[in-house]
Amino acid sequence: DTGVSQDPRHKITKRGQNVTFRCDPISEHNRLYWYRQTLGQGPEFLTYFQNEAQLEKSRLLSDRFSAERPKGSFSTLEIQRTEQGDSAMYLCASSSTGGEGDEQYFGPGTRLTVT
Amino acid sequence: AQRVTQPEKLLSVFKGAPVELKCNYSYSGSPELFWYVQYSRQRLQLLLRHISRESIKGFTADLNKGETSFHLKKPFAQEEDSAMYYCALSPNYQLIWGAGTKLIIKP
Repeated sequence: DTGVSQDPRHKITKRGQNVTFRCDPISEHNRLYWYRQTLGQGPEFLTYFQNEAQLEKSRLLSDRFSAERPKGSFSTLEIQRTEQGDSAMYLCASSSTGGEGDEQYFGPGTRLTVT
Repeated sequence: AQRVTQPEKLLSVFKGAPVELKCNYSYSGSPELFWYVQYSRQRLQLLLRHISRESIKGFTADLNKGETSFHLKKPFAQEEDSAMYYCALSPNYQLIWGAGTKLIIKP
C-alpha cells in the first residue's frame, strides 16, 4: 500500500460537462474526506465518510456535487454541469479511528480546470 | 465562528536563523491543532499536532489558549525546511485550515 491515491491527476473539461474523480484510501482506514483547494488558500472541507456512510456535507457542496463510497473502500466525487468556479485542486484524505487518532493522510490531488 | 488565521503568506529567512510561523485560531471549545507541511511537488503531510507535544524535524509548537495561538518554531532554519506550511484546527472529524505560509530559507 503506497498511500492514498487519486485518479485522474489532472482533468480539463468544458463548462457544462460532468466529471468524476476517484480516491483510493489507505486500505485499513475507515474514514475518508474530500477537500477542495483553490490557489492561495488552504483546503476547504467538502464531505466525510465513515465506512460507506456519508456523515457530513459542507454547505460548499452544492446540489451539483455528489460523493459516494459504496463499499466503504474507494470513493468517487462527481461534479455535474461544471462551472468555471469549480476549477480547483480536489484532495482526498483518509484516517483511521483508534490509536492514531485523527491524522489524515492525503492523496496527491486531482487538479480540475474548467474552460 | 471556527477559523484559522495565518497572517503571513510568505516568510523568508536565512539559513541558521530562527523561524516562527504564526497561527491564530477562533474556537470556543478545546481545540485540537495541527501543522501540515507540503514540500515542492509532494502531498500534504502531517508535521506535528499539539496533543503529542513532540518535536519533529526540529520544529515545535505550543498551544497558547490565552492568546488562541499555535505558532510553529524552529531555532535554526535549514534549506530543506523550504515548503508551504498550513495550520489546521479539528473541532471534530474535519479540518479547518489556514491559508498557509510559504517559507523560503535563503542560503
